[in-house]
Amino acid sequence: QQPVQSPQAVILREGEDAVINCSSSKALYSVHWYRQKHGEAPVFLMILLKGGEQKGHDKISASFNEKKQQSSLYLTASQLSYSGTYFCGTEEGVGSNYKLTFGKGTLLTVNP
Amino acid sequence: NAGVTQTPKFQVLKTGQSMTLQCAQDMNHEYMSWYRQDPGMGLRLIHYSVGAGITDQGEVPNGYNVSRSTTEDFPLRLLSAAPSQTSVYFCASRRVGAGVSTDTQYFGPGTRLTVL
Repeated sequence: QQPVQSPQAVILREGEDAVINCSSSKALYSVHWYRQKHGEAPVFLMILLKGGEQKGHDKISASFNEKKQQSSLYLTASQLSYSGTYFCGTEEGVGSNYKLTFGKGTLLTVNP
Repeated sequence: NAGVTQTPKFQVLKTGQSMTLQCAQDMNHEYMSWYRQDPGMGLRLIHYSVGAGITDQGEVPNGYNVSRSTTEDFPLRLLSAAPSQTSVYFCASRRVGAGVSTDTQYFGPGTRLTVL
């Protein structure tokens, strides 16, 4: 089942922060985050495993709440280069054959 | 190291025609997959493979066939194209089973397909 991402779109000024959420009704093994710029392929940002592990990638970090089956992506001090569509992909775990189910995406626009 | 390559980049077909989208990777990844991306729908899994000779269906497999004769190649065949198959198709390659620190999925540049 497709995870639900919120918000659908967000507009920021350079330097502002944003949070993108990803929720699933299924028990999850991992959550993946990708960014896609217009006309390009998605690019991997990070993967989080169940256990509440928080990871970081420059000024982009994420957390995974196993009990709530939710993940959040945190973008701090946003830069113009952060603009794009962010997708979460969820993996249900052993027996799922590594299949990822993606949300519909969150369009992030960072303005000067 | 080219990563994941896809050909062609653009294709226009007429209803009922068949064609093969090519995908290759040079990272020796066992796991490969095909997604289609439609506006507002995110990425939907068509077929995937966990190794040479092993394939399985994803969410939207109807109208598509795949085979995996080598680790490197994973072609997607459209049997009889329909306008509903107009989409952007992405092939992806992923290293799995070696720990989360190396689990990364790489996407190819995509094929933009239009079926008239």
